[in-house]
Amino acid sequence: DAGVIQSPRHEVTEMGQEVTLRCKPISGHDYLFWYRQTMMRGLELLIYFNNNVPIDDSGMPEDRFSAKMPNASFSTLKIQPSEPRDSAVYFCASSLVSTYGYTFGSGTRLTVV
Amino acid sequence: AQSVTQPDIHITVSEGASLELRCNYSYGATPYLFWYVQSPGQGLQLLLKYFSGDTLVQGIKGFEAEFKRSQSSFNLRKPSVHWSDAAEYFCAVGAGGFKTIFGAGTRLFVKA
Repeated sequence: DAGVIQSPRHEVTEMGQEVTLRCKPISGHDYLFWYRQTMMRGLELLIYFNNNVPIDDSGMPEDRFSAKMPNASFSTLKIQPSEPRDSAVYFCASSLVSTYGYTFGSGTRLTVV
Repeated sequence: AQSVTQPDIHITVSEGASLELRCNYSYGATPYLFWYVQSPGQGLQLLLKYFSGDTLVQGIKGFEAEFKRSQSSFNLRKPSVHWSDAAEYFCAVGAGGFKTIFGAGTRLFVKA
């Protein structure tokens, strides 16, 4: 298994631009999570899905952030418009409810200038 | 509300020495507890997890952790540290609804 695949690995964009982060979870996993990691705030849960349905998006910081999971093998996190304070590493993770241990992707390092 | 505290921001140990990383949690019921490791530029990897039963849990890479309900602790241990163990370690607690709350992390440095 290739694990959780995130793209791109690095993204540098200008303030005000739209940014789309992508995630392919492990096949068969029924939960998908988006986390953001910064030095100041650590790991923050943004949103998570169960069987492609958003369950809890209370961690999404603002309306500028949105996430979708159109099918079991793909999810996106979109920021529009982006701001410098959105600079962070964004992780996607997936899990099976029966095992309750997350498998993380390698992350996307986002820099907004 | 559920929370996780890792009191040590960083720890330095000599290669071959034993290691203990501390973790305290706050949770009303029997918690689900986890330890993850993160190497630079990588995502987090699950080391071990505790759901119930035996309070001493064995994980990958020679790590173990002990759940102590009376102390609300779940400390991670390894008898002999290798240079490749240098990384950041995160304790985490299941927060209900299949969510997980992570501690702030402890960075481990290993000196030769």
